[in-house]
Amino acid sequence: DQQVKQNSPSLSVQEGRISILNCDYTNSMFDYFLWYKKYPAEGPTFLISISSIKDKNEDGRFTVFLNKSAKHLSLHIVPSQPGDSAVYFCAASAGGTYKYIFGTGTRLKVLA
Amino acid sequence: EAGVAQSPRYKIIEKRQSVAFWCNPISGHATLYWYQQILGQGPKLLIQFQNNGVVDDSQLPKDRFSAERLKGVDSTLKIQPAKLEDSAVYLCASSSRGFATDTQYFGPGTRLTVL
Repeated sequence: DQQVKQNSPSLSVQEGRISILNCDYTNSMFDYFLWYKKYPAEGPTFLISISSIKDKNEDGRFTVFLNKSAKHLSLHIVPSQPGDSAVYFCAASAGGTYKYIFGTGTRLKVLA
Repeated sequence: EAGVAQSPRYKIIEKRQSVAFWCNPISGHATLYWYQQILGQGPKLLIQFQNNGVVDDSQLPKDRFSAERLKGVDSTLKIQPAKLEDSAVYLCASSSRGFATDTQYFGPGTRLTVL
């Protein structure tokens, strides 16, 4: 049972344009969401998070939007840069627990 | 600040052999996690330690996997005997207290190939 889904395995975007990565979840108990970025041969690196009491969180070029009614979150990267090329994982947890449930990842390629 | 260290980075073994992975978390981090990431999937939590005690090992295949965190610092994960389906990247992560809002910092992982 895949509780966190990233339905787009890959995405290509031109440098300078907006990248939008999507994530859907099924468990209504999830109340904390995160995005991690992973380069080849490295471990995932924390990017940005959002609590369910908010619908938007921004950090520089990265913004995460949460739509609780649709059980959907998205990561916007503006403007996209070639160094953003990586695999992006969304993750969710419930009830203040440590236990992250990860999606399958979306490979972003930013074309120069 | 030094990150999470893992060794070895790569390991190739035959099925039914045993293998061990080592992790040294960020200094002062009380919580340590082992994840399994199979190709094309997201990381899956195998076990979580709080200091040297196990908090959650519900997804650890205990018939073949074992883990310990002696003295509440570094940790080892062992597989004995290995199966083909154990081929994956094994990631270690640590966080300061183990709350959901505490960032989990990941090591580079150990890529295991079972032939």
